[in-house]
Amino acid sequence: DGGITQSPKYLFRKEGQNVTLSCEQNLNHDAMYWYRQDPGQGLRLIYYSQIVNDFQKGDIAEGYSVSREKKESFPLTVTSAQKNPTAFYLCASSRLRVTDTQYFGPGTRLTVL
Amino acid sequence: DAKTTQPPSMDCAEGRAANLPCNHSTISGNEYVYWYRQIHSQGPQYIIHGLKNNETNEMASLIITEDRKSSTLILPHATLRDTAVYYCIVRDSQGGSEKLVFGKGTKLTVNP
Repeated sequence: DGGITQSPKYLFRKEGQNVTLSCEQNLNHDAMYWYRQDPGQGLRLIYYSQIVNDFQKGDIAEGYSVSREKKESFPLTVTSAQKNPTAFYLCASSRLRVTDTQYFGPGTRLTVL
Repeated sequence: DAKTTQPPSMDCAEGRAANLPCNHSTISGNEYVYWYRQIHSQGPQYIIHGLKNNETNEMASLIITEDRKSSTLILPHATLRDTAVYYCIVRDSQGGSEKLVFGKGTKLTVNP
């Protein structure tokens, strides 16, 4: 982390409710990413954005939406269409050069009851 | 799918060097090797990366074989705080900003 903040750390929602996860970075990075991690598994890419007002779907975008209105912010909305939303959500950012390192935030653990 | 193979778990005594292997036999010439670690319930932490040459920073050393089909991450003096899951990732240098493909990694346990 360091420069990337995610809030809240723990989030509980009832089934059928939309929920928005916050991600902010002060690293002046152009690119931002959202990943999902399930227990004992690696990370899977949900969405990423390389520039303000533009974003691309990752491998598991269904049931999620994002916006990139500001360079430093990339919120993720988990909609009621996401069938298994309970997971650990990680935000990352990087500069745009192809070899630039992605740095991760501390994560938000979402539990849908 | 991850392009790397790592042992699922390893143990190391505190104060000793921890050597974590990674096989990436299908790596191509423009792919970098990255290492991250993840302590339970935290975001992954970048450790080091390299292309061909061995690399060293304040956290670790990365040794890449001459044929680039495998590499070893070395933590020279492991502490209890180094207990984590370590991920080896190969990343295309020509693909632009894109996803990191994390496998299941190696769970390193540092014992007192």
